[in-house]
Amino acid sequence: DIVVTQSPLSLPVTPGEAASISCRSSQSLLDSDGYNYLDWYLQKPGQSPQLLVYMASIRAAGVPDRFSGSGSGTDFTLKISRVEAEDVGVYYCMQALQTPTFGQGTKVEIK
Amino acid sequence: EVQFVQSGAEVKKPGESLKISCKGSGYHFANYWIGWVRQVPGKGLEWMGVMHPGDSRTTYSPSFQGQVTMSADKSTNTAFLQWNSLRASDSATYYCARRPVGAPSLDYWGQGTPVIVSS
Repeated sequence: DIVVTQSPLSLPVTPGEAASISCRSSQSLLDSDGYNYLDWYLQKPGQSPQLLVYMASIRAAGVPDRFSGSGSGTDFTLKISRVEAEDVGVYYCMQALQTPTFGQGTKVEIK
Repeated sequence: EVQFVQSGAEVKKPGESLKISCKGSGYHFANYWIGWVRQVPGKGLEWMGVMHPGDSRTTYSPSFQGQVTMSADKSTNTAFLQWNSLRASDSATYYCARRPVGAPSLDYWGQGTPVIVSS
C-alpha cells in the first residue's frame, strides 16, 4: 500500500497570513500519463469533506484561488495564500495512483 | 446542481444486517462511479471502494473486500452500501461521493450516514 504522511498535524494560523501543508508519499505518484495522482480535501467542522485540488495542482470548481497545490513524485504541498476564518478544518491529502489512501489529516485553526 | 442525499442515522446490534442509501441528482447518475468513504468518530478518512451504476463494476479496497457490498439502482439514481453481519468496529460515518470523469478524485459528497453498532 502507498502511505501518505502529512505535516504538520496541527497548524495554528493568523487570518491574512499564508499557510502550507506538506504531504509525502511512500512511492512516486507520477503516472505514465504525466499526472500526479494526489488530491487535497478539506473537512470543515461538522461537514462532509470537499475537494480542493486534484491531480496535485488543479483547483476544483468553485475553490477560491487562494488555494494552490504543487509538487511531483513523492512531495506535495497545499498552500493557502491568505488564510480566512472559513478555512478552518481538517485538510487531507489522498493518493489515487493505486488503491486510494488518505493522509492522517492536518487540523488548521485560527490562533 | 449535483447533490447526494444519504439515508439517516442507524443504530444496530452486532450481527444484524444493514443497507444504507445515497440518492444522486443533478447529473446523469449511470455515467459516473460512486465511491464510499468511512470515517470512524474522531478519526480520519478511509477509502472503501467504488462502483459504477451503469454496469455494476466494483473495485473494493482490500481492507473492505468481503466486508461490505456496493450496489446501485439506476432507475432511482440510488447507490447502496450493505453489511450482512455488523460488528462494533463498523461504527462510523459513511460518505458517498462521485468520481468525476477522467480523475480518480471524489468531487461531490453526500452528507454522511452515521452508523452505531452496539449491543
